[in-house]
Amino acid sequence: DQQVKQNSPSLSVQEGRISILNCDYTNSMFDYFLWYKKYPAEGPTFLISISSIKDKNEDGRFTVFLNKSAKHLSLHIVPSQPGDSAVYFCAAPRRTANAGGTSYGKLTFGQGTILTVHP
Amino acid sequence: EPEVTQTPSHQVTQMGQEVILRCVPISNHLYFYWYRQILGQKVEFLVSFYNNEISEKSEIFDDQFSVERPDGSNFTLKIRSTKLEDSAMYFCASCRTWGTNEQYFGPGTRLTVT
Repeated sequence: DQQVKQNSPSLSVQEGRISILNCDYTNSMFDYFLWYKKYPAEGPTFLISISSIKDKNEDGRFTVFLNKSAKHLSLHIVPSQPGDSAVYFCAAPRRTANAGGTSYGKLTFGQGTILTVHP
Repeated sequence: EPEVTQTPSHQVTQMGQEVILRCVPISNHLYFYWYRQILGQKVEFLVSFYNNEISEKSEIFDDQFSVERPDGSNFTLKIRSTKLEDSAMYFCASCRTWGTNEQYFGPGTRLTVT
C-alpha cells in the first residue's frame, strides 16, 4: 500500500535550524492529513493536521503545508530542538460519506522519517 | 491528561498459542482502533470498532483475529493461534468522534512469537 509515501528515511539537522519533512500521496480522495511523532517504545503522538481546504496550518514551531496539485505535504519545524528527535509519520484518514455527513476512519501511514536534531 | 493505556508492554508467546492484548481507551472516546507495525515496516490498520461492532477491517484481520469491548473501559484484541509473522508492535487508538480523525495512540504491546 503506497498511497502515502515518505521518501526520506532520515533527516539530520542542527539545533536552531529548520527541519523539513516531506510526504507524498497518490489517492486524490484524501482530503485530510495528520502528522504524528513517535519516540522509541511509545505510540505515535498526534502533532498537527491539515484539511484540504487549506494550504497551510501553523501551531507554534510546527507548520504543515499542503500542495494539492502536487499531492505533496510537508512539515516544517522551526527552530528545531534536540527534543524533536523522533520518527515522524504522515497519515491520511479514509473519508466516507454517510447520512450524518463526512466522516473519517482508518489511517494510512507513510513509512516514517527519522529526524535527528544535533545540539 | 487522559491517555490510552495498553497491557502488557511485551508479550512473548509460542507459535499456535492464543494471546489477548488489552487496551483502555480514553474514557469519553467512542471509536476504537487496532494497528500494528512489523519491525522496519509501516504502521498498518487492522480494525476499527464502534458501538460494539466492527466498523471496518483490513485484509490482515482474518478469522484468527477478534476484538471485543467486554465492559465499559477495556478493548481487547485476540489472536487465536499465533504465527511467527504476527510478531509486531500492536497499537490501540481511540477517537472521540468520527467527524475528526485525531486518533490517540497507546504506547503499544510488543508481541514476540517464537
